[in-house]
Amino acid sequence: DSGVTQTPKHLITATGQRVTLRCSPRSGDLSVYWYQQSLDQGLQFLIQYYNGEERAKGNILERFSAQQFPDLHSELNLSSLELGDSALYFCASSAFTGVGQPQHFGDGTRLSIL
Amino acid sequence: DAKTTQPNSMESNEEEPVHLPCNHSTISGTDYIHWYRQLPSQGPEYVIHGLTSNVNNRMASLAIAEDRKSSTLILHRATLRDAAVYYCILRGGANAGKSTFGDGTTLTVKP
Repeated sequence: DSGVTQTPKHLITATGQRVTLRCSPRSGDLSVYWYQQSLDQGLQFLIQYYNGEERAKGNILERFSAQQFPDLHSELNLSSLELGDSALYFCASSAFTGVGQPQHFGDGTRLSIL
Repeated sequence: DAKTTQPNSMESNEEEPVHLPCNHSTISGTDYIHWYRQLPSQGPEYVIHGLTSNVNNRMASLAIAEDRKSSTLILHRATLRDAAVYYCILRGGANAGKSTFGDGTTLTVKP
């Protein structure tokens, strides 16, 4: 158990809809990362927050947004969903930011777009 | 971004050591070498990381070449539970928060 909690575990919705994925980091961790894993793209970094502030951005679409709240949990919002957004979405956390910090991953949210 | 190259797959026998190689010839001086593994239907799991010196922890050892252009993850005694995809990634500099995961090495452990 990594200590990172992601909800829901599974989500099924239709094209054009909007969903919110939630992540609770390990106790004491200040940094949260979001990743997307699809069969054809592998594990792609989306965005990082550190203590409520956006820290780094990766291949995140404009239809996607995220935030980290004062209690350090984070939400990833996906809107105008397309079939290609079907994927596993992982959240990870680390104690601080920085290159020497190991990241601890949750078990992911499986998003299926019908 | 500095990239890593790993073999697509490797096989090992149970209870034998496994050496998983990773090439990173364009590594920069500030890049840390991280290893993660992903078991089926689970999120990636942190294994070990290092900068210049070899590192040991309860899960594995990391051997880093003197020129830092390659590294090897060593599982001292493979078990069936070690069957997973192993990712070698570099994190450093302006991309400190970003972890670019490649295709990794799929390790099969035979009983």
